[in-house]
Amino acid sequence: NAGVTQTPKFQVLKTGQSMTLQCAQDMNHNSMYWYRQDPGMGLRLIYYSASEGTTDKGEVPNGYNVSRLNKREFSLRLESAAPSQTSVYFCASSEALWTGENIQYFGAGTRLSVL
Amino acid sequence: QQQVKQSPQSLIVQKGGIPIINCAYENTAFDYFPWYQQFPGKGPALLIAIRPDVSEKKEGRFTISFNKSAKQFSLHIMDSQPGDSATYFCAAWTRGTYKYIFGTGTRLKVLA
Repeated sequence: NAGVTQTPKFQVLKTGQSMTLQCAQDMNHNSMYWYRQDPGMGLRLIYYSASEGTTDKGEVPNGYNVSRLNKREFSLRLESAAPSQTSVYFCASSEALWTGENIQYFGAGTRLSVL
Repeated sequence: QQQVKQSPQSLIVQKGGIPIINCAYENTAFDYFPWYQQFPGKGPALLIAIRPDVSEKKEGRFTISFNKSAKQFSLHIMDSQPGDSATYFCAAWTRGTYKYIFGTGTRLKVLA
């Protein structure tokens, strides 16, 4: 049982390059999330998908797009990477937004550097 | 009003000590307060959580104390061990919303 799997684990990009971060969960969860983690700033929500077929902006969506490909997969795309997007990106999933305890299960992260 | 303020930013204790990490919030609509533990190179994982209708919850060596009137909650780690060295995040959530608000994290180091 893998939980939440993110690929790649590490990536170095040049300014202006594009890339897609992949995320898949095998827990049959309805909701999925993308966060970025920066020193001293905790975890900030980029985009989320409450259920298959829906996506919504979080706290810091500028410069990113997402696709909820199916119930299992939720990808994050950087169309034109900027140095300010250097960060560690985490994907998470949870059963649903309306359950009593919204336990979020995180992947191991993607460490992205934009030069 | 949506922030969760966490302190201290870092903490060093001796083995066996009781580190305490504090969080404060403003939004009274929050109804779930989890703590996440993150080891280097890993994603955060749920450690323990509490609802505002109880004042304390214990799981093993980890205890959450909750003060609803002061809008504060804290994590206590009893008999801390070097293996507890990690970053700890508090969070707050309102049922039915996507907004899972995280604190800024506390880096704990337990010396052997």
